[in-house]
Amino acid sequence: GAGVSQSPSNKVTEKGKDVELRCDPISGHTALYWYRQSLGQGLEFLIYFQGNSAPDKSGLPSDRFSAERTGGSVSTLTIQRTQQEDSAVYLCASSWSGGSFNEQFFGPGTRLTVL
Amino acid sequence: DAKTTQPPSMDCAEGRAANLPCNHSTISGNEYVYWYRQIHSQGPQYIIHGLKNNETNEMASLIITEDRKSSTLILPHATLRDTAVYYCIVRVATAGGTSYGKLTFGQGTILTVHP
Repeated sequence: GAGVSQSPSNKVTEKGKDVELRCDPISGHTALYWYRQSLGQGLEFLIYFQGNSAPDKSGLPSDRFSAERTGGSVSTLTIQRTQQEDSAVYLCASSWSGGSFNEQFFGPGTRLTVL
Repeated sequence: DAKTTQPPSMDCAEGRAANLPCNHSTISGNEYVYWYRQIHSQGPQYIIHGLKNNETNEMASLIITEDRKSSTLILPHATLRDTAVYYCIVRVATAGGTSYGKLTFGQGTILTVHP
């Protein structure tokens, strides 16, 4: 079946603009995660969804970042008033549930460049 | 989650076994050892995980020392396509819901398989 998909694959925006990144998890997966990967920072966790609720938002770097998930499926990560330090690859992953026994399947990522 | 230490880089000849070490001396009794890898420009991919027994699947073998303070991921016959960053992650066993399995990535080991 289809894997995790993300769109767009690449996004170039100007500083100060808002951007929305989309994640389509594997069908039936109740858990969804957002991570980001930037040069020199490695992979860092942003937020975890179980169904439509987000028990852990501790990784969101500032209040300019928000995420929602609807229908227990698609998730959108929104970055308001983008800054150059937001430039990174944003990765989405999903798993059957949030339990650590469940393998996380990652999407290909969205490369965000803030000019 | 316990911290892990991995060598920053390793080389391996194609067709030979690649043995990737990981130190997790502060691991707790309820923490599992996970391995993921990330091929260039792709999202991370699950490889294997274990608690205390050695594990084997179609991709690799995981050898965990008796005191669980270190482990080795073995790719038995490395190919050029195994060139990637390999991440060793220690993670608390959880059942899901609000108690979930966040992945905390370190810097990993860059494995280069050469002809």
